[in-house]
Amino acid sequence: AQTVTQSQPEMSVQEAETVTLSCTYDTSESNYYLFWYKQPPSRQMILVIRQEAYKQQNATENRFSVNFQKAAKSFSLKISDSQLGDTAMYFCAFPSYNQGGKLIFGQGTELSVKP
Amino acid sequence: KAGVTQTPRYLIKTRGQQVTLSCSPISGHRSVSWYQQTPGQGLQFLFEYFSETQRNKGNFPGRFSGRQFSNSRSEMNVSTLELGDSALYLCASSLDVSSSYNEQFFGPGTRLTVL
Repeated sequence: AQTVTQSQPEMSVQEAETVTLSCTYDTSESNYYLFWYKQPPSRQMILVIRQEAYKQQNATENRFSVNFQKAAKSFSLKISDSQLGDTAMYFCAFPSYNQGGKLIFGQGTELSVKP
Repeated sequence: KAGVTQTPRYLIKTRGQQVTLSCSPISGHRSVSWYQQTPGQGLQFLFEYFSETQRNKGNFPGRFSGRQFSNSRSEMNVSTLELGDSALYLCASSLDVSSSYNEQFFGPGTRLTVL
């Protein structure tokens, strides 16, 4: 079965500091995508960053980067120079194999950025 | 390009009633997926439609149904509402259902409260 696990229900970080959110997953597929989504208090789900499994280079989007370790099935999100607007729920997700539009989500990590 | 829109944004119903939620995908997107989000169960996949056909279905009772129109707009219906159906219902659209890339763009959600 394909699963996604986020072991940190809540985290907090001081503004301008760096924080890392953890995610592990399980799949028997060799090529797939992984996503981090952000859901702020407004509830609008926004894609933060994506990683293609066959690419060894870790994806980076401005202050957001991932540490992708395929063998360990680990996909952590690092937020540098945290800003108040980063306060949100963060979900790790990946597409269910051969099931088109179905995304499998982790339980989420609630991140609070404190001034 | 306009994003995914969902109507209504908020809805209050009583047990036993039925409800219809609407989702308009991004122009050109043919795949629409629905998710239920609750504090206890997290994000759960309801179903996915592509070219007016249901392609995938999650593990929900038959009271939950949906359809997709020729313009890709989708509706989901919940009949005989129960208290446990109170949730945020998210709709997501994507271009290509067959691709493992499958980036989904989410709407703002419909908050359903069942009294």
